[in-house]
Amino acid sequence: DIQMTQSPSSLSASVGDRVTITCRASQGISNYLAWYQQKPGKVPKLLIYATSTLESGVPSRFSGSGSGTDFTLTISSLQPEDVATYYCQRYSSAPSIAFGQGTRLEIK
Amino acid sequence: QVHLQESGPGLVKPSETLSLTCSVSGYSISSGYYWGWIRQPPGKGLEWIGSIYHDGSTFYKPSLQSRVTISVDTFKNQFSLKLSSVTAADTAVYYCARDYTSLFDYWGQGTLVTVSA
Repeated sequence: DIQMTQSPSSLSASVGDRVTITCRASQGISNYLAWYQQKPGKVPKLLIYATSTLESGVPSRFSGSGSGTDFTLTISSLQPEDVATYYCQRYSSAPSIAFGQGTRLEIK
Repeated sequence: QVHLQESGPGLVKPSETLSLTCSVSGYSISSGYYWGWIRQPPGKGLEWIGSIYHDGSTFYKPSLQSRVTISVDTFKNQFSLKLSSVTAADTAVYYCARDYTSLFDYWGQGTLVTVSA
């Protein structure tokens, strides 16, 4: 069973900072990697799929990269509305759908 | 716009069966896509439970497979989750979502199910 491990588990950054969150798969998953944003008390929202494709309406300050086992989510200039927990997800094929444990992002 | 709404008991006794239904509007389940269930224990991360296609084909998380049944009712445009032999570890917010090639693009608001005597 492929495991998804995110780091860090939490981070605090200032408005305008460049923020990077990492997701590592226990074995290669090609580019079948998605990122979700869950704001406090809200439903998860799909941000990025196929490693780097932004879902419609997602601000361009969000970007994704990687392949194989190592992936990153980058926010180029952190905004207050980006406070959320971010989850990566492997989605190459059911029943092998798996989420990372989440990275909680706060404003310093 | 696709809208999903979970419904079902908010409290289930240990060893009993958790039953939830997801009502879909704005899209006919019969038209395609898989439809899935995801849960989130309080303060913890997301866990995929399983997904179903309109023809009844299902995929379940292997570690839950022995306790999970997902079914679909295309006439009511609903799909349902049954999780048997629940324990406190099954306490979570349960979400239903549209499963687009194993990506979840539309979600219900979620419903908290507590397992307690």
